[in-house]
Amino acid sequence: QVQLVESGGGVVQPGGSLRLSCATSGFTFSTYGMHWARQAPGKGLEWVAFIRYDGKDKYYADSVKGRFTISRDNSKNKQYLEMNSLRTEDTAVYYCATDGGYGELLQWGQGTLVTVSS
Amino acid sequence: DIQMTQSPSTLSASLGDRVTITCRASQSINNWVAWYQQRPGKAPNLLIYKASSLESGVPSRFGGSGSGTEFTLTITSLQPDDFATYYCQQYHTYPWKFGQGTKVEIK
Repeated sequence: QVQLVESGGGVVQPGGSLRLSCATSGFTFSTYGMHWARQAPGKGLEWVAFIRYDGKDKYYADSVKGRFTISRDNSKNKQYLEMNSLRTEDTAVYYCATDGGYGELLQWGQGTLVTVSS
Repeated sequence: DIQMTQSPSTLSASLGDRVTITCRASQSINNWVAWYQQRPGKAPNLLIYKASSLESGVPSRFGGSGSGTEFTLTITSLQPDDFATYYCQQYHTYPWKFGQGTKVEIK
């Protein structure tokens, strides 16, 4: 069955950096676009970024553009989210998700918590 | 950016009730809307894609409709597992956006 496991979350100071990973199994990773989404404590969902199956197209939310970078390694069945210049408002549970083919977020991981605090 | 306005923010209902949640897009998005269910402490779960297509494994009491700027999610007979928060999402134009969410509570 499809499994998505996020890791790399933790506590970081404002202005710091963090790299999230999403390890996948149970499907042909190299043929799926992938997303990151996040949810601040007690708040709603926010889409963060998308990467095409081959890594050639990437899209970002305005709130993270220029600070976050999405990437993937199809040989390792993993995707990543490099987060720089972190702000307190980036505090959230970060979810990895597969693209359903049209842009919907099909399968989701359980999330990893990122806390930006001094 | 295309914004999604979801209503109501909270909905109180009883078991067996018919429930309708609405999402309005700030401009036409054809049928590029998905609906998700999220239970407390859990990841979201895709229910509906392309406005009205039921995701595999999702009970048939869930249905979606609409096109253009107005979309609805309907639960025909509310079950205990359905008390959760529901989100719409547009995927017509990047950046993708979610609605603010609708929490379905027990009356």
